[in-house]
Amino acid sequence: NAGVTQTPKFQVLKTGQSMTLQCAQDMNHEYMSWYRQDPGMGLRLIHYSVGAGITDQGEVPNGYNVSRSTTEDFPLRLLSAAPSQTSVYFCASSPSSVTGSYGYTFGSGTRLTVV
Amino acid sequence: DQQVKQNSPSLSVQEGRISILNCDYTNSMFDYFLWYKKYPAEGPTFLISISSIKDKNEDGRFTVFLNKSAKHLSLHIVPSQPGDSAVYFCAAKESGTYKYIFGTGTRLKVLA
Repeated sequence: NAGVTQTPKFQVLKTGQSMTLQCAQDMNHEYMSWYRQDPGMGLRLIHYSVGAGITDQGEVPNGYNVSRSTTEDFPLRLLSAAPSQTSVYFCASSPSSVTGSYGYTFGSGTRLTVV
Repeated sequence: DQQVKQNSPSLSVQEGRISILNCDYTNSMFDYFLWYKKYPAEGPTFLISISSIKDKNEDGRFTVFLNKSAKHLSLHIVPSQPGDSAVYFCAAKESGTYKYIFGTGTRLKVLA
């Protein structure tokens, strides 16, 4: 009963480096999303996907890329890391119930520091 | 411009008393509102939700109230327990979309 799995849990990057944050879910949820959490800012939506092959931008998409080739996986790519991307990143998934009342299942987060 | 606001960063309550967490929103197109609870070093966990066509939803010790005219919702926890100490986020979903917008969170401390 894994739920939403994020790897790595911690990462330190140098400015300009690239990396991919991994997210996988085993609940056959169609809807997946990435959020970042910063002090005083709450959770802000970066990108989301409503199914394999379909992605869209959230509130703060700049500097991040996503793709969704399978239902299970939704990786987040940082092409050229900047100190402003230091944050805790959460991946979340939900069944595609259009009522919206189900709520997300969140992963445990990736704490990223860009120096 | 924040569409979902939690104006109280923190709240302290005695064990056994009521905790009331508040949330205001600006977008009249939101059709669902949700509350999440977050412990340190963990992801948020879903607590309770309410549809915009209702004004109250209850689940055990947790009740969410929605006042559409005031664009305000609140989460009541009765009775409060020390294990309820966490950060609480409210979130809202815009009708016809899959976007959930979160507030900034309120840190609740329940004192034994």
